[in-house]
Amino acid sequence: AQKVTQAQTEISVVEKEDVTLDCVYETRDTTYYLFWYKQPPSGELVFLIRRNSFDEQNEISGRYSWNFQKSTSSFNFTITASQVVDSAVYFCALTPTTGGGNKLTFGTGTQLKVEL
Amino acid sequence: NAGVTQTPKFQVLKTGQSMTLQCAQDMNHEYMSWYRQDPGMGLRLIHYSVGAGITDQGEVPNGYNVSRSTTEDFPLRLLSAAPSQTSVYFCASSYQGAVNEQFFGPGTRLTVL
Repeated sequence: AQKVTQAQTEISVVEKEDVTLDCVYETRDTTYYLFWYKQPPSGELVFLIRRNSFDEQNEISGRYSWNFQKSTSSFNFTITASQVVDSAVYFCALTPTTGGGNKLTFGTGTQLKVEL
Repeated sequence: NAGVTQTPKFQVLKTGQSMTLQCAQDMNHEYMSWYRQDPGMGLRLIHYSVGAGITDQGEVPNGYNVSRSTTEDFPLRLLSAAPSQTSVYFCASSYQGAVNEQFFGPGTRLTVL
């Protein structure tokens, strides 16, 4: 069975602060993919990043960066210089590479509030 | 491309009523799935399909039926709605394979009284 834990239920920061959202996962699969999705107040789900379990390189995209550490089963997400528009619920998700489909297991999400 | 579309956007049912949530995609994706989102529980997989004529159960399938007669459509049926099925339902589609990003529809907010 797979499990994704996002222990931070809600985080509040002031604009321009850096913030890290934690994601810890459990899986028996040797190969898998990890994802982050953003859900703004409007409700849609926005894909942010996909990471293969073989690729432990950190990734940076603008103000966003991701730290994947297989040794600690973590895939953390950092927003640098946060902005009000970053306010949303962020979900971490996991799917095995094999099994015939993209069966995502989601964490419970972290509500990020960025205030002026 | 319209992407993934879902109808209706909102629905209120009484306990015991039946209804079908519609989902369609125009990207020729093989894989389609239904998730439900409940407060504090993230999204959970209800049913999924890897192609026309093939469906399988996800984590929380009880109370729901699906069928996949075409590549484009993947309706979700509630045969006898219960208050526990009050939730936001998301349909998603992707090309086959875990590497591929799933595209989500805008969601259907269902309330069962």
